[in-house]
Amino acid sequence: NAGVTQTPKFRVLKTGQSMTLLCAQDMNHEYMYWYRQDPGMGLRLIHYSVGEGTTAKGEVPDGYNVSRLKKQNFLLGLESAAPSQTSVYFCASSYRASEQFFGPGTRLTVL
Amino acid sequence: GQQVMQIPQYQHVQEGEDFTTYCNSSTTLSNIQWYKQRPGGHPVFLIQLVKSGEVKKQKRLTFQFGEAKKNSSLHITATQTTDVGTYFCAQDWLGGTSYGKLTFGQGTILTVHP
Repeated sequence: NAGVTQTPKFRVLKTGQSMTLLCAQDMNHEYMYWYRQDPGMGLRLIHYSVGEGTTAKGEVPDGYNVSRLKKQNFLLGLESAAPSQTSVYFCASSYRASEQFFGPGTRLTVL
Repeated sequence: GQQVMQIPQYQHVQEGEDFTTYCNSSTTLSNIQWYKQRPGGHPVFLIQLVKSGEVKKQKRLTFQFGEAKKNSSLHITATQTTDVGTYFCAQDWLGGTSYGKLTFGQGTILTVHP
């Protein structure tokens, strides 16, 4: 089992460009989450999903959109990237409200 | 918003010394989780505490949940270089059904000098 995988691992964008980050899990988890991690601020929840076809806002959702068309995939989109979105993005999944399994992360730089 | 205060922010120790990080909340917690993140890596789940006054051990790591369920601690005995990383506590999102959503503390960065 691969666990949680994220694509891509690194990306550099120019301000105003768009991109989609892909998260995939093979553990049949219902719950999936997108976090961003910035120095000194821990992890902050962007959006989450409690099942296929459902999404909801987390703590810092502005500037991001998500989709969960398939149970195993959770996509994070940036429609018009801004330098403030430079961060490390982690996807996680869990079986109900239990331990979360994290992917390896995507390092995004917006110039 | 909700805040989980974690102290200290940094801790430098000599190999073999003990280490403790503390997590404090202004509200009563239903449970608390602890994660470890190695440099350049991703967070990895360590443990979940649920009961008031609960103490759990994993080899050299001891986790405690306060009697009032408002604070928690992680203690490492005789640190090793493999303990290097950032340790995070995380609490359930408050205000309605959590759906497993977590609020993370800022983390304690541990460095161990050999």
